[in-house]
Amino acid sequence: DGGITQSPKYLFRKEGQNVTLSCEQNLNHDAMYWYRQDPGQGLRLIYYSQIVNDFQKGDIAEGYSVSREKKESFPLTVTSAQKNPTAFYLCASSIGGTSGASYNEQFFGPGTRLTVL
Amino acid sequence: GESVGLHLPTLSVQEGDNSIINCAYSNSASDYFIWYKQESGKGPQFIIDIRSNMDKRQGQRVTVLLNKTVKHLSLQIAATQPGDSAVYFCAENPSGAGSYQLTFGKGTKLSVIP
Repeated sequence: DGGITQSPKYLFRKEGQNVTLSCEQNLNHDAMYWYRQDPGQGLRLIYYSQIVNDFQKGDIAEGYSVSREKKESFPLTVTSAQKNPTAFYLCASSIGGTSGASYNEQFFGPGTRLTVL
Repeated sequence: GESVGLHLPTLSVQEGDNSIINCAYSNSASDYFIWYKQESGKGPQFIIDIRSNMDKRQGQRVTVLLNKTVKHLSLQIAATQPGDSAVYFCAENPSGAGSYQLTFGKGTKLSVIP
């Protein structure tokens, strides 16, 4: 089955710890994204990557870091500098990049719920 | 100003009735729009999309209408079913062709009354 997976589903972090959220896709998509969702809110873009070895800050990148060493993988690290990290984190991918497509929907993973203890 | 905080706009409809969910978008240069459905605790799922050179597009039981004059998008769901209960988000491509970013609205919660 083709799709996008996130792990873990639930994650608990102590204050001052860094944690890394996994995102993997086997859709052969060039572009990948990380969003944060707070209760009753829309999605806010943290980071995105249009191609391997390249990524850009989104609207709320402070306190987060990413890497894109492989096309399939786009892990997100929530650092201790993020003051309010408790949220639902969503990863997405789209064809983007070298496909030549101008319009492309984003496919979402199931999300990781991060709670700071 | 008032914070929308935890209170999503909510639409309650009777099972079998039609639902209309509205969205005002912000960027007159946006040329691609998507509706997503998000069930509790899950990631958003694609429902339907529309490009700015169209004003209507139909799918299975869903229709999206685009009014560029007033920057308004709507999602119509025919014969609403209990499984349609979810939060619905509109998203716009704010930068035109070649950009892959989407800007999401805050969402509308649809509750279907059996």
